[in-house]
Amino acid sequence: GNSVTQMEGPVTLSEEAFLTINCTYTATGYPSLFWYVQYPGEGLQLLLKATKADDKGSNKGFEATYRKETTSFHLEKGSVQVSDSAVYFCALSDDHYSGGGADGLTFGKGTHLIIQP
Amino acid sequence: ETGVTQTPRHLVMGMTNKKSLKCEQHLGHNAMYWYKQSAKKPLELMFVYNFKEQTENNSVPSRFSPECPNSSHLFLHLHTLQPEDSALYLCASSQNRGQGLREQYFGPGTRLTVT
Repeated sequence: GNSVTQMEGPVTLSEEAFLTINCTYTATGYPSLFWYVQYPGEGLQLLLKATKADDKGSNKGFEATYRKETTSFHLEKGSVQVSDSAVYFCALSDDHYSGGGADGLTFGKGTHLIIQP
Repeated sequence: ETGVTQTPRHLVMGMTNKKSLKCEQHLGHNAMYWYKQSAKKPLELMFVYNFKEQTENNSVPSRFSPECPNSSHLFLHLHTLQPEDSALYLCASSQNRGQGLREQYFGPGTRLTVT
């Protein structure tokens, strides 16, 4: 079956530090990959996405590159801010192509990120 | 209203109560989902509706009953719940185009407490 593994944290960094949150996956097909962010008291927001090998998703200074050879999709940001404090989820959508049916996402457990001023 | 909305945002219910969670999407999508988010566990997919037809039920107990009257609305009917059902229930929607990217958009969730 499909699975996503990510560091759980909490990860605590100082403002302007470099961020890496690791994510690796296993999938039966050729998945699309996502990072979602959840701020306190809110639902999940799509942060970035990638659909094929070597694609780089980027948004709000965050980046992640789809690495098929290492089955990874690590999230990076060059200089974090206090406002980036949240829980980050790596997820995949396996392309079953089962008659065009919708599929749920498979999520990692989430990484709690704390940025200190 | 834009995006995906959920009501109520918070719900406290006893184990013998019957209640319903409501989700509405304003994105013109054709697929909707219920997820359960518990502390220290990955998000659990509960139900999938594609073009109003239920296509997935991930071994969810019968005390949870979904309903999708149209492609914009999704309900989760609750009855005789257990304390371990306390969690954040998230609704999501996506535009299912067959093959290809199907990113999902989430509502803010309903925080359910079963006493």
